[in-house]
Amino acid sequence: NAGVTQTPKFRILKIGQSMTLQCTQDMNHNYMYWYRQDPGMGLKLIYYSVGAGITDKGEVPNGYNVSRSTTEDFPLRLELAAPSQTSVYFCASSTTNTGELFFGEGSRLTVL
Amino acid sequence: QQQVKQSPQSLIVQKGGISIINCAYENTAFDYFPWYQQFPGKGPALLIAIRPDVSEKKEGRFTISFNKSAKQFSLHIMDSQPGDSATYFCAATSGSGNTGKLIFGQGTTLQVKP
Repeated sequence: NAGVTQTPKFRILKIGQSMTLQCTQDMNHNYMYWYRQDPGMGLKLIYYSVGAGITDKGEVPNGYNVSRSTTEDFPLRLELAAPSQTSVYFCASSTTNTGELFFGEGSRLTVL
Repeated sequence: QQQVKQSPQSLIVQKGGISIINCAYENTAFDYFPWYQQFPGKGPALLIAIRPDVSEKKEGRFTISFNKSAKQFSLHIMDSQPGDSATYFCAATSGSGNTGKLIFGQGTTLQVKP
């Protein structure tokens, strides 16, 4: 049972490039989330989804897009990468709305 | 009003000592308060959680104390061990129609010295 899997683990982008962070879960969870973690700032919610075909913005959605075509997958798209998007990105999932999240191991992105 | 404020930012404790991390919130609609533990290079993992209908919850060496009137809650780690060295996040959410979105505190890096 793999849980939540994120790829890639590390990536360096140049300013203006685009990329997609992949996230897949094998627990049949309806709820999925993307957070970013910056030193001293905790984790900030970027986007979330309550089921296939349904997504909504979190606290810091600017510069990002998501889609949820299946229960398992929740990719995060970065368009026109900026240095401010240098961060560690975490995907998470949950089976209920209780706040008990299962996190992936993170994707470290550097924009130069 | 959506913020959760966590302190201290970092903490150094001797092995066997008590580690205490504090969090405060303003939104009285919050009704679920989890603590997450994160080791370097890993994602956060749920450690312990409490709802506001109780003032304390204990699981092994980990205890959450909750003060509803002060809108504060804290994590106590008794008999701290070097293996407890990690970053700890408090969080809060409200269940009713909130889809489980967690508001996280800023994090506390705990170092337990042997």
